[in-house]
Amino acid sequence: DADVTQTPRNRITKTGKRIMLECSQTKGHDRMYWYRQDPGLGLRLIYYSFDVKDINKGEISDGYSVSRQAQAKFSLSLESAIPNQTALYFCATSDRTYITDTQYFGPGTRLTVL
Amino acid sequence: AQSVTQPDIHITVSEGASLELRCNYSYGATPYLFWYVQSPGQGLQLLLKYFSGDTLVQGIKGFEAEFKRSQSSFNLRKPSVHWSDAAEYFCAVGLNTGGFKTIFGAGTRLFVKA
Repeated sequence: DADVTQTPRNRITKTGKRIMLECSQTKGHDRMYWYRQDPGLGLRLIYYSFDVKDINKGEISDGYSVSRQAQAKFSLSLESAIPNQTALYFCATSDRTYITDTQYFGPGTRLTVL
Repeated sequence: AQSVTQPDIHITVSEGASLELRCNYSYGATPYLFWYVQSPGQGLQLLLKYFSGDTLVQGIKGFEAEFKRSQSSFNLRKPSVHWSDAAEYFCAVGLNTGGFKTIFGAGTRLFVKA
């Protein structure tokens, strides 16, 4: 079984709809991240959480919110989706006991906002 | 500001030929450096990382990278490319600024021709 899972894997929605993307991990890591990937822009950090009580904005948090329900679960919400939020979204985890903080990525969620 | 530059958007090499993917970073302190690979439809997977010691780092799948402080570079190399290496490659810098974060480059897509 995959260590980092994301649901759904694909989603098509309409402008103005509320969308939640979910991430679960079985690695036992404290740190979790949400990124979006756009062609030519690489990965950009949306939000990150270093533990259940610690949530931080990344470089592109506007229009997004997150919830860390447990150590293993980190959800990303789009309160009112807009077309320029069409992208590939990745969840990642890392273990704070490692200085170099290798990240482990989920398979991604492809979101299309019409 | 910290940044990671991958000058080549895409590269095409013949199977069996050597490969070098370029990465330059901008960061004032000693960097933590990573190369990740993203195969089609997959999340990112760590190839190798550098944080201290020998500046030539060996990774998985026969890849290596060399840290050159004087050039602010961390180029990825492979002596003989296989068709299965076709993927997108991301260079990243880890920042330890009151919490560890990673900045990704825009990626280089590798095409392998027979």
